Amino acid sequence: DAGVTQSPTHLIKTRGQQVTLRCSPKSGHDTVSWYQQALGQGPQFIFQYYEEEERQRGNFPDRFSGHQFPNYSSELNVNALLLGDSALYLCASSFFLRRNSNQPQHFGDGTRLSIL
Amino acid sequence: QKEVEQDPGPLSVPEGAIVSLNCTYSNSAFQYFMWYRQYSRKGPELLMYTYSSGNKEDGRFTAQVDKSSKYISLFIRDSQPSDSATYLCAMRKNTGFQKLVFGTGTRLLVSP
Repeated sequence: DAGVTQSPTHLIKTRGQQVTLRCSPKSGHDTVSWYQQALGQGPQFIFQYYEEEERQRGNFPDRFSGHQFPNYSSELNVNALLLGDSALYLCASSFFLRRNSNQPQHFGDGTRLSIL
Repeated sequence: QKEVEQDPGPLSVPEGAIVSLNCTYSNSAFQYFMWYRQYSRKGPELLMYTYSSGNKEDGRFTAQVDKSSKYISLFIRDSQPSDSATYLCAMRKNTGFQKLVFGTGTRLLVSP
């Protein structure tokens, strides 16, 4: 049973560039959430996708956008990269909460983004 | 003030010790409480998942939730060097599409 998979594992960009990160959810999961984890900090919620729509958003600027595809996979896009965007970006998947509110989120190993 | 407070450590213990990890929170709307373990260069791995107050045990791990005090704990019995990792507490409300709110994580070091 494949877990949450993310690609690429590591990415180096320069300020002002744009980046796209990808996530495939755990088999059977239909909801994808993205988190940013700075060094020495806990993950911070960016947004959550269900049925190809953004359902909830954390305190992140519009430079952060996403997409969910019909097969439930998802992309995170970040435009106009800043040095402060350097972090581990984590994808988490789960079942849609209303169907079973006890379902926890399962995480991938993340994409480490370095901004030079 | 952060919604979830967690001592970053590091917490150093000898092999075989009982480890106690804790978080406090300020939002009384949190209903679901989780503990994740994160090894270096890996994503968080779910250890324990509890709803509302009470205890839950799974092998060497016991999770406790005291909603009246807004305090949650994770106990690890007979700690092993392989338990050396960062332990993250997380919690969420029970309404609709809900984000997880994490503590900063406590780094645990278990020496042989």
